Amino acid sequence: GNSVTQMEGPVTLSEEAFLTINCTYTATGYPSLFWYVQYPGEGLQLLLKATKADDKGSNKGFEATYRKETTSFHLEKGSVQVSDSAVYFCALIRNSGNTPLVFGKGTRLSVIA
Amino acid sequence: NAGVTQTPKFQVLKTGQSMTLQCAQDMNHNSMYWYRQDPGMGLRLIYYSASEGTTDKGEVPNGYNVSRLNKREFSLRLESAAPSQTSVYFCASNGGFGGHEQFFGPGTRLTVL
Repeated sequence: GNSVTQMEGPVTLSEEAFLTINCTYTATGYPSLFWYVQYPGEGLQLLLKATKADDKGSNKGFEATYRKETTSFHLEKGSVQVSDSAVYFCALIRNSGNTPLVFGKGTRLSVIA
Repeated sequence: NAGVTQTPKFQVLKTGQSMTLQCAQDMNHNSMYWYRQDPGMGLRLIYYSASEGTTDKGEVPNGYNVSRLNKREFSLRLESAAPSQTSVYFCASNGGFGGHEQFFGPGTRLTVL
């Protein structure tokens, strides 16, 4: 079946540090991949996505590249801010058929000034 | 556009009580979803509706029922609440399967005593 594995948190970084949150997936066929972010007390919102191999999604300084050979979609940011403190979810959806989005368990990021 | 709205935002129930969580979207989306979020468990799919008139079980459907009232509205009912159903519940919608972004509501925080 389809599944997503992401690094366990919490992750604590100082402001301006480099961020990597690892995400690997298992899927039949060729899924689309997503990173969602959840700020405290809110619902999830889409951060970035990639729909095919070698695509790079980017938004708000975050980037992730769809790596089919390593089945990975790691999230990176060169310089984190306190406002980036949130929970980050990696997710996939198949591009064909009727199967819902599959989420990883989430990684909590805390950025301290 | 309000996006995805959920009511209520907070609810406290006693064991054995029933209640219905309401969800509506104004984006003309075909598919709608109910998730629950528990610490360390990420998001788990309870039920989904791929289109108006259809519903399917997700990963954790026991103890819940759903109704896709029309294209806009998708409700989640707890017939006899149990403490294990204490959680944050999120409704989501998207235009259909196949790589489409899901949009989330703000969540309902439910406590069952």
